[in-house]
Amino acid sequence: DAGITQSPRHKVTETGTPVTLRCHQTENHRYMYWYRQDPGHGLRLIHYSYGVKDTDKGEVSDGYSVSRSKTEDFLLTLESATSSQTSVYFCAIGGSLGREDTGELFFGEGSRLTVL
Amino acid sequence: RKEVEQDPGPFNVPEGATVAFNCTYSNSASQSFFWYRQDCRKEPKLLMSVYSSGNEDGRFTAQLNRASQYISLLIRDSKLSDSATYLCVVNMNTGGFKTIFGAGTRLFVKA
Repeated sequence: DAGITQSPRHKVTETGTPVTLRCHQTENHRYMYWYRQDPGHGLRLIHYSYGVKDTDKGEVSDGYSVSRSKTEDFLLTLESATSSQTSVYFCAIGGSLGREDTGELFFGEGSRLTVL
Repeated sequence: RKEVEQDPGPFNVPEGATVAFNCTYSNSASQSFFWYRQDCRKEPKLLMSVYSSGNEDGRFTAQLNRASQYISLLIRDSKLSDSATYLCVVNMNTGGFKTIFGAGTRLFVKA
């Protein structure tokens, strides 16, 4: 299995509070992604990174920011959490991006966030 | 219209049955195709890639029909352990690559 760990795995928070989810990989992979998964919507891309300090928005980026200061770590921050951000968040490495189709995506185990 | 559509199911089948899932995609620029499997409350994992010529991996067969823009997954001799959600995934090249996930089809295999 690809070495991807997410933390925290579960979090309950209140509306308006900041939340940071961490993704750590040991594969030295260039590309990292944050997805959210909601019933009926499948996985939707929030933000992605194609290198240290190189990030860009996905299809549902509003209300989220990311940072990648090291190859192995990709942080997702909800500056002021809302109930609509209650979801399961998956980090992934690999996949396709830009001019490259690198194929398979490897996912972390997910972080279940509840915003009350 | 969603870019990748799947029948959400659920499909309830007895052990030993053959079951088929279809997935349609809307963008003809789609270039590569995959089926992922996701167990309940777990992360998705690659089941198999889908090639134009069709491909088989044990009890699983994947087919691609570019003219009609759909892909399929056939599972023969279903096992209880096949119970999961199956995600159709399409990589599109629309100036840059983009990965689109279907919402998934749930399968329950009963004893």
